[in-house]
Amino acid sequence: TQLLEQSPQFLSIQEGENLTVYCNSSSVFSSLQWYRQEPGEGPVLLVTVVTGGEVKKLKRLTFQFGDARKDSSLHITAAQPGDTGLYLCAGASSNDYKLSFGAGTTVTVRA
Amino acid sequence: KAGVTQTPRYLIKTRGQQVTLSCSPISGHRSVSWYQQTPGQGLQFLFEYFSETQRNKGNFPGRFSGRQFSNSRSEMNVSTLELGDSALYLCASSFYPTGGYEQYFGPGTRLTVT
Repeated sequence: TQLLEQSPQFLSIQEGENLTVYCNSSSVFSSLQWYRQEPGEGPVLLVTVVTGGEVKKLKRLTFQFGDARKDSSLHITAAQPGDTGLYLCAGASSNDYKLSFGAGTTVTVRA
Repeated sequence: KAGVTQTPRYLIKTRGQQVTLSCSPISGHRSVSWYQQTPGQGLQFLFEYFSETQRNKGNFPGRFSGRQFSNSRSEMNVSTLELGDSALYLCASSFYPTGGYEQYFGPGTRLTVT
């Protein structure tokens, strides 16, 4: 059982469309990270959110941390084929230095 | 600054053999974590080392072990390989900025057990 539930599992959209990926848990995290992974490579850190209600923007990507620090979302505006990949959320607890990962969302952006 | 490096990138072993994977963290990072990634189970935490001490361990059998050296480089060993050990093994190094906990991953070692 995954501590973090990601939805949807798969997402296929046309270039230029918007998309949102959700990451939910019943646990409270001290911080939450989002990663993108391409086939055959390791995950690449996109952002870390720490404060409940925090919103961070990275070009066309917007990340939000829930007020209760149990959930997060990733929104991509005007998606491009280069956004294709596996998006993973990961939560860190304050009392152990370990990340718990969601199962991931596979995003495919068609040209 | 150089990223996390892992060697080898690809490995093919036979059931019953043992294997050692190596990880060099980002310079200055003292924590190294290991993960197993498979299509069915996703990213599963194996263990974490900090200053040569194992601080956290996931739910894997004792066939999986690791160690960290004084220069923060780490190795993981899998003995008596099973077909189900075929996976991408990822190493990540960490530092602890104020208010957050981030891990930087290497490219992984793809292990195939036949």
